[in-house]
Amino acid sequence: AQTVTQSQPEMSVQEAETVTLSCTYDTSESDYYLFWYKQPPSRQMILVIRQEAYKQQNATENRFSVNFQKAAKSFSLKISDSQLGDAAMYFCAYNSGGGADGLTFGKGTHLIIQP
Amino acid sequence: NAGVTQTPKFRILKIGQSMTLQCTQDMNHNYMYWYRQDPGMGLKLIYYSVGAGITDKGEVPNGYNVSRSTTEDFPLRLELAAPSQTSVYFCASSPLFRETQYFGPGTRLLVL
Repeated sequence: AQTVTQSQPEMSVQEAETVTLSCTYDTSESDYYLFWYKQPPSRQMILVIRQEAYKQQNATENRFSVNFQKAAKSFSLKISDSQLGDAAMYFCAYNSGGGADGLTFGKGTHLIIQP
Repeated sequence: NAGVTQTPKFRILKIGQSMTLQCTQDMNHNYMYWYRQDPGMGLKLIYYSVGAGITDKGEVPNGYNVSRSTTEDFPLRLELAAPSQTSVYFCASSPLFRETQYFGPGTRLLVL
């Protein structure tokens, strides 16, 4: 079974600074998909960024980018120019490329933005 | 376009009671999912469906049942509620299993 590990239960960053959230995963597959979801206090799960394992280029969405290291099975999220609205729980998630059986989530990282 | 909607938002159940959590999506997505999120944890898959009439178990299906009679609706049934089922329940949908999953706002369930 696939597992997703987020080793940082909580991170704190000053507003306008850059922060990196870590994620590692375990899989024997070569084709899969990785996601970062944001969960603010409202509980709504919001997609931040998505990465296909077959693509070597790291995904980028405005201030959010990933560092995808397939051999190391690492998928970190970098948030640049942190804003107060970025404060939330961030979940890393894995989806097998060959099955329809949903996402496997890590336990999450609580991101605090210091004004 | 409402996306994925869930009702109710919050419910208190007594041990042994039953209830159905409703989930509806208006995006014509074939794939639908139910997850639960326990305090301090990530989401865990309960059941999923790849289309009307087709459902399958996820990681934590015990104590739950689902049905999928239409593309839009994917209700989750709790039979004989137990305190261990106290959680937040999320429904999600996606157009294909490799694509992004879109989540509903969640239902908070408290079993006492």
